[in-house]
Amino acid sequence: DTGVSQNPRHKITKRGQNVTFRCDPISEHNRLYWYRQTLGQGPEFLTYFQNEAQLEKSRLLSDRFSAERPKGSFSTLEIQRTEQGDSAMYLCASSAGHRGGEKLFFGSGTQLSVL
Amino acid sequence: AQTVTQSQPEMSVQEAETVTLSCTYDTSENNYYLFWYKQPPSRQMILVIRQEAYKQQNATENRFSVNFQKAAKSFSLKISDSQLGDTAMYFCAFMAPRGGNEKLTFGTGTRLTIIP
Repeated sequence: DTGVSQNPRHKITKRGQNVTFRCDPISEHNRLYWYRQTLGQGPEFLTYFQNEAQLEKSRLLSDRFSAERPKGSFSTLEIQRTEQGDSAMYLCASSAGHRGGEKLFFGSGTQLSVL
Repeated sequence: AQTVTQSQPEMSVQEAETVTLSCTYDTSENNYYLFWYKQPPSRQMILVIRQEAYKQQNATENRFSVNFQKAAKSFSLKISDSQLGDTAMYFCAFMAPRGGNEKLTFGTGTRLTIIP
């Protein structure tokens, strides 16, 4: 068990470019979450997967954002036509999903800077 | 919708002293869970302590304990014998499981500094 892994750790891009982040959850965790954290704020929920199915998306997730979790393993979060307001840390978390109120295990995040 | 409020943006305390971080929340749910997460400079969110709303007994994890007041919707974290490694952002979080989605709603955090 190596924990939740996120890549890259940092991403700097120019406005209008597309970016993709990857999250590798803890092995056999069937629930995977994406959060966004801006400076001085707590993380905000973006979307949730149960295995490969994306079951909920926040209103924060505009049409420029898309997330996938093929085969219920790793997940990717893509942002198209990035804007400066997208600059934030993107956190991934996973849980085993066996019982209610389970602990979420978080990765170290991907820090996105849009210039 | 649930909200979580942390009214102390920053706190500092001398090493070995006790400090209490405040958190209030608002919900109409009856079945829920409350958490305190720590975020050190490494940025990884680390679970400190977890409380089930239906349990009256306050949760305790070594030097960390909570004061859970369900009627007042208050969930404070007490850190005893504080250590330099406790320096971090602390986030209070709420979870009301619905259909398997156990998303967390976080407060804005309290930056805690332990002074040597």
